Amino acid sequence: GAVVSQHPSWVICKSGTSVKIECRSLDFQATTMFWYRQFPKQSLMLMATSNEGSKATYEQGVEKDKFLINHASLTLSTLTVTSAHPEDSSFYICSASGTTANYGYTFGSGTRLTVV
Amino acid sequence: DQQVKQNSPSLSVQEGRISILNCDYTNSMFDYFLWYKKYPAEGPTFLISISSIKDKNEDGRFTVFLNKSAKHLSLHIVPSQPGDSAVYFCAARGNAGNMLTFGGGTRLMVKP
Repeated sequence: GAVVSQHPSWVICKSGTSVKIECRSLDFQATTMFWYRQFPKQSLMLMATSNEGSKATYEQGVEKDKFLINHASLTLSTLTVTSAHPEDSSFYICSASGTTANYGYTFGSGTRLTVV
Repeated sequence: DQQVKQNSPSLSVQEGRISILNCDYTNSMFDYFLWYKKYPAEGPTFLISISSIKDKNEDGRFTVFLNKSAKHLSLHIVPSQPGDSAVYFCAARGNAGNMLTFGGGTRLMVKP
């Protein structure tokens, strides 16, 4: 079936530094990648949608200069949290669309980001 | 504006009994609904889906019912097993695009 690899699975960084999270589709071409954020005991909130080779579309309230999304190939999308602050600490999950497996949405395993 | 709501944050069920998880939505343009199971610090795992043109879809122990007039769907798990203990999210897809809108989740605990 379709597999999406997301890493790192967890990362701790100092305030003010940048962190890059990668999301790879291993056995299919991901035409669209979705990036979500989940706070403790809350739902998954869509941050942005990216199509290969295009600029990402950000949801209202998401700072595009802070959360840089790159979808340069059909198998790789990256989310870079720039100048991270403690309030950016969260669980980030990617989802790839491009195959009918999993009804078209295959999620990565998530990245726990802690900014200290 | 929460377009997809799961009003029960938690549910406790005895092993072997039926678990019923509910989800309500407000956007009549949603055309597909999906249920996901999620463990802490992991990505969601797809369980079952239903098209807006159907009212029931069954897959093994999992059945999803859709009541369009009430804008309500439910996931039935029978018989419930301790391994089913997790957080369950319902999600809806709008026919104007392929993004998903998630409900707040319901934590299911199946007691042995």
